[in-house]
Amino acid sequence: GESVGLHLPTLSVQEGDNSIINCAYSNSASDYFIWYKQESGKGPQFIIDIRSNMDKRQGQRVTVLLNKTVKHLSLQIAATQPGDSAVYFCAENMGSGYSTLTFGKGTMLLVSP
Amino acid sequence: ETGVTQSPTHLIKTRGQQVTLRCSSQSGHNTVSWYQQALGQGPQFIFQYYREEENGRGNFPPRFSGLQFPNYSSELNVNALELDDSALYLCASTLQGFQETQYFGPGTRLLVL
Repeated sequence: GESVGLHLPTLSVQEGDNSIINCAYSNSASDYFIWYKQESGKGPQFIIDIRSNMDKRQGQRVTVLLNKTVKHLSLQIAATQPGDSAVYFCAENMGSGYSTLTFGKGTMLLVSP
Repeated sequence: ETGVTQSPTHLIKTRGQQVTLRCSSQSGHNTVSWYQQALGQGPQFIFQYYREEENGRGNFPPRFSGLQFPNYSSELNVNALELDDSALYLCASTLQGFQETQYFGPGTRLLVL
């Protein structure tokens, strides 16, 4: 079946570096994408979203890029901090009439001081 | 804080038992979704309720059922518990139910022995 997947299960960076987390999606009908951050013992926390009519969106220290041609999504975190250490999920909404999200397995981001 | 709360935080049950998990959504959010998150995996969509009726369902058997109440609270009921039901159960609330950001609660950790 179609699913959302991540290229890198674990990403280790130094504090202050820029981090890039990638996600491949296979459902061409998906038109809304969200990045979530999940810390240990907590629920997913919304970071940033993007609709399919856009290819880039920026937030505070984060940027999401969407490449519909190759069905690729990325999350860029600028000046990564130890507090950014968490599991990051991309999720897609296929616009089926109700807002169900399909999640990938997640990428663990480890930030060293 | 997302304004979404869940109870209990942790629960231990034995195989064959029944369990009820509770969620309180953000005020005004008329849509609630439930997800199951196994260890090391992304959340999997169970079902969604909109205005107190089931509005969509993932690949889960009928022993997973739910209720949504007018006060924006909801329940997830699981009958005949199996060992594989051990997971983090998350609820997420949405304002409109379509392509709107889903805000997650902290989850209920269920262990089935």
